[in-house]
Amino acid sequence: EAGVTQSPTHLIKTRGQQATLRCSPISGHTSVYWYQQALGLGLQFLLWYDEGEERNRGNFPPRFSGRQFPNYSSELNVNALELEDSALYLCASSLEPTFGSPPGTDTQYFGPGTRLTVL
Amino acid sequence: DAKTTQPPSMDCAEGRAANLPCNHSTISGNEYVYWYRQIHSQGPQYIIHGLKNNETNEMASLIITEDRKSSTLILPHATLRDTAVYYCIVRAMEYGNKLVFGAGTILRVKS
Repeated sequence: EAGVTQSPTHLIKTRGQQATLRCSPISGHTSVYWYQQALGLGLQFLLWYDEGEERNRGNFPPRFSGRQFPNYSSELNVNALELEDSALYLCASSLEPTFGSPPGTDTQYFGPGTRLTVL
Repeated sequence: DAKTTQPPSMDCAEGRAANLPCNHSTISGNEYVYWYRQIHSQGPQYIIHGLKNNETNEMASLIITEDRKSSTLILPHATLRDTAVYYCIVRAMEYGNKLVFGAGTILRVKS
């Protein structure tokens, strides 16, 4: 079974440009999560999408946005890039989390990440 | 989310058991303990999770104390490929809860 895939592997942009990162979840998973891992800051939650809707958002400015497509794949867009946006962007997927689900049902499985460098 | 405390680093000899502790003294009744690991610059890998009973899978064992204030992840026969950052996370099994990662423990397995 294929895991979570992300593209591109590496992305180099300059300040002020826009970046688009893509994620394909594990087959059967409807939820997609985005995390940012910047040097020295650890892994931070960015966004959660399920069934095409944004369900939760971390403490990031509005220039970080995304969407989820009908096939459950997802895009993360970062507008007006700043130097501090340089980071590893990780996507995770899970089955739809629902109240009363058996433990582990919504375990998040991560992709390999996209390394974004802003010059 | 309950906070966790882990030692910043640990060493383990190859072939020996690696025991990684985690303190979560403020854990609440509906929060599970999850463990992930991250090998350099790769995506985090799910290892195991538990509520109050000890758990074992093909990767590791998780021992949770009776008061649930701490836990230990056990890699029974550590190999060089187990060198990674190990994260202990507590989260509630409720709709939409994000994973909150701390600094984790850097485990170095040495030959």
